[in-house]
Amino acid sequence: AQSVTQLDSHVSVSEGTPVLLRCNYSSSYSPSLFWYVQHPNKGLQLLLKYTSAATLVKGINGFEAEFKKSETSFHLTKPSAHMSDAAEYFCVVSARGGGGYNKLIFGAGTRLAVHP
Amino acid sequence: DTAVSQTPKYLVTQMGNDKSIKCEQNLGHDTMYWYKQDSKKFLKIMFSYNNKELIINETVPNRFSPKSPDKAHLNLHINSLELGDSAVYFCASSQAGTSGYNEQFFGPGTRLTVL
Repeated sequence: AQSVTQLDSHVSVSEGTPVLLRCNYSSSYSPSLFWYVQHPNKGLQLLLKYTSAATLVKGINGFEAEFKKSETSFHLTKPSAHMSDAAEYFCVVSARGGGGYNKLIFGAGTRLAVHP
Repeated sequence: DTAVSQTPKYLVTQMGNDKSIKCEQNLGHDTMYWYKQDSKKFLKIMFSYNNKELIINETVPNRFSPKSPDKAHLNLHINSLELGDSAVYFCASSQAGTSGYNEQFFGPGTRLTVL
């Protein structure tokens, strides 16, 4: 079965310093992986997705993630945090649902706090 | 133009009541979803419809009944509301859900509070 584990429930960084949000996945086949962001009282927005074309995936707002099969990881990074990055981040794996359709399995989320 | 919209945004009601949440997408997608986000921010899929046909039902109590009048709309009706139903409910849509790479677009959520 497919699953994701986000290793940190909370991450706090200073503005201008690097961001690292960690995610490990479990999948019985080549996974489709995503990172979504949820700002307070808002819906979810896709940051980036891994489609097996390239292991280093670039997303919006300067975020990127690297797929490492040997480590079953898909960590999210950003070189320099901005105050507006403060939000909840979800690592997501796509799993086979009924009738061959896919469904998203969400990690528990990592709350990123950015302080001045 | 809002891609995925939900109404209402907030819903406060008493235990035992019946309520509905509506969702509409104008992206031309074939597949729509309902997710529940609990108080700890954990998100779990409840249902998925493809072209008005139910394709995913994740062992949700039968008090929850989704209905898709057409592929642009997916409504969620909840009977006999319980305290544990309090959550934020998100609607989402994507192109046909057989590809694992298809991005899902989420609505703004409906915060349901059962008193």
